[in-house]
Amino acid sequence: AQSVSQHNHHVILSEAASLELGCNYSYGGTVNLFWYVQYPGQHLQLLLKYFSGDPLVKGIKGFEAEFIKSKFSFNLRKPSVQWSDTAEYFCAVNVHGRDDKIIFGKGTRLHILP
Amino acid sequence: DAGVTQSPTHLIKTRGQQVTLRCSPKSGHDTVSWYQQALGQGPQFIFQYYEEEERQRGNFPDRFSGHQFPNYSSELNVNALLLGDSALYLCASLKHQANEKLFFGSGTQLSVL
Repeated sequence: AQSVSQHNHHVILSEAASLELGCNYSYGGTVNLFWYVQYPGQHLQLLLKYFSGDPLVKGIKGFEAEFIKSKFSFNLRKPSVQWSDTAEYFCAVNVHGRDDKIIFGKGTRLHILP
Repeated sequence: DAGVTQSPTHLIKTRGQQVTLRCSPKSGHDTVSWYQQALGQGPQFIFQYYEEEERQRGNFPDRFSGHQFPNYSSELNVNALLLGDSALYLCASLKHQANEKLFFGSGTQLSVL
């Protein structure tokens, strides 16, 4: 069975700091990988996704993630965070080629200090 | 173009009661999935409906059931509510086999007292 592990439950950074949120998954086959964001009071939104091809994926709002197959990792990065990035971030995985269930990590709550 | 809409937004029930949550998928989508997001947790997959049938199911008891209508909208029913069923229930939709992203609704916050 697939599972997703997010290393940091709560991260606090100052504006302009660099961000890296860790995500590891367990599944022996080919996977699709996602990062979702949930801003306070809003619904889940897709930040970026990896299906195949270039393992460095660029998403919205300056976020990017790198798929490292050998490490089963898909870490989220942003060079310089803003106060508006305060939100909860979820890493997720599903089996490549299927559009059924997506397995989510427990989430990382990011708090940016102005 | 309406996204995924869910109703109601908030609901308070007592233990033992039954509840029905509703979801209308994004226009053009035919597949609906339901997720439960407990406080401090990531969303957990409950089940998925396509062509009015349950296609996939997560690790949830039979108290959780669903339905999909010909217009692709869906209902989630939970019987014999427990305190632990208190959570945000999310509906998500996509177009079957179109390799597109999943669109989520804002959820229904269910509180069981």
